[in-house]
Amino acid sequence: GQQLNQSPQSMFIQEGEDVSMNCTSSSIFNTWLWYKQDPGEGPVLLIALYKAGELTSNGRLTAQFGITRKDSFLNISASIPSDVGIYFCAGQLNNDMRFGAGTRLTVKP
Amino acid sequence: EAQVTQNPRYLITVTGKKLTVTCSQNMNHEYMSWYRQDPGLGLRQIYYSMNVEVTDKGDVPEGYKVSRKEKRNFPLILESPSPNQTSLYFCASRDYSYEQYFGPGTRLTVT
Repeated sequence: GQQLNQSPQSMFIQEGEDVSMNCTSSSIFNTWLWYKQDPGEGPVLLIALYKAGELTSNGRLTAQFGITRKDSFLNISASIPSDVGIYFCAGQLNNDMRFGAGTRLTVKP
Repeated sequence: EAQVTQNPRYLITVTGKKLTVTCSQNMNHEYMSWYRQDPGLGLRQIYYSMNVEVTDKGDVPEGYKVSRKEKRNFPLILESPSPNQTSLYFCASRDYSYEQYFGPGTRLTVT
């Protein structure tokens, strides 16, 4: 099945910088989710979006559900070293969930 | 504590030797899934189950079996593992909100 197009693949940033990553698809979804995976662990849900146009924040994280229902972005403001990890987007339509390949974030102190 | 558990966390085995990876959740979730994660490919769904005795194929089901005899357990069975099944495997569960909870992962190496 078609996976999502997530970019960038990796990012190297300085502590304190803001980060932006996004996911696009040729298909529409009813739900967009963003996960973070730490080394040796399973993905952990960060933000869930349920409505086109929805903008949701969770601390320093902000995500939006694109108005076309085919894309979503995640912003991290004022990055800190513990933001390091792999971030995945996921789109859900009924019982079909698709994942992006992930964005690997490295934060230099 | 609400969680999904998997066992074992690490497994090295040889081609053709049957193995089972267990998965259990304590959140009374109806929906459970198995994924494999490979570099550059993200998470791909192997099988899913919408309730007890109801299972269906995901995107990459070949070489795998599952069963759902109880709501909390969803084991993944490799009847005759092959090297191309070397991967990192995740079990996940959710309720009707689509917010999936993942287990800690099982790293499988087949030689």
